[in-house]
Amino acid sequence: AQSVAQPEDQVNVAEGNPLTVKCTYSVSGNPYLFWYVQYPNRGLQFLLKYITGDNLVKGSYGFEAEFNKSQTSFHLKKPSALVSDSALYFCAVRPKGSGNTGKLIFGQGTTLQVKP
Amino acid sequence: GAGVSQSPSNKVTEKGKDVELRCDPISGHTALYWYRQSLGQGLEFLIYFQGNSAPDKSGLPSDRFSAERTGGSVSTLTIQRTQQEDSAVYLCASSPVSGRSYNEQFFGPGTRLTVL
Repeated sequence: AQSVAQPEDQVNVAEGNPLTVKCTYSVSGNPYLFWYVQYPNRGLQFLLKYITGDNLVKGSYGFEAEFNKSQTSFHLKKPSALVSDSALYFCAVRPKGSGNTGKLIFGQGTTLQVKP
Repeated sequence: GAGVSQSPSNKVTEKGKDVELRCDPISGHTALYWYRQSLGQGLEFLIYFQGNSAPDKSGLPSDRFSAERTGGSVSTLTIQRTQQEDSAVYLCASSPVSGRSYNEQFFGPGTRLTVL
């Protein structure tokens, strides 16, 4: 079965420190990879995506993610965290190939808490 | 431009009643998705519409759930004979099928459904 794993329910980091939110996936082929962020009582906002090309992808708000094909991972990173980054983060994959309609398979989400 | 809108933002209903949830996608987006976000299940795909193609209903949890998309734009998700386990946030997303934002799904703020 196709799945996405975010092994940490919560990540705590001090403001100004680097942050990493982990994501691994189990999907056949080379899927498209995404990160979304959800602030309280809001819908999901797109952060970044990996389609092809350079393994390091840069996105909104200073976030970046590194695609590692051998480890089937797509960890989200930011060099210097802000308190305003505190939110719920979702990793998602979109399997490619015939019969795949573009639906996203989401991880369970990781709550990022940045403390001043 | 305007984003994806959903109505109502909150819906409280009694067990056994039918509910209708509405989604207005971004103008020009031909792909439309419904997802459900609940505490125990995370984010689950429900149904996908693309132009005049037959919808992908593979994520609908039971035959009490149905959805339609009229005129290739507005979509309505209907839940008949609601049960308490239907309580969740229902998210709608739309996506272009070409251009720079191809593959990105733009989410609405969601409808929070509470079944008493």
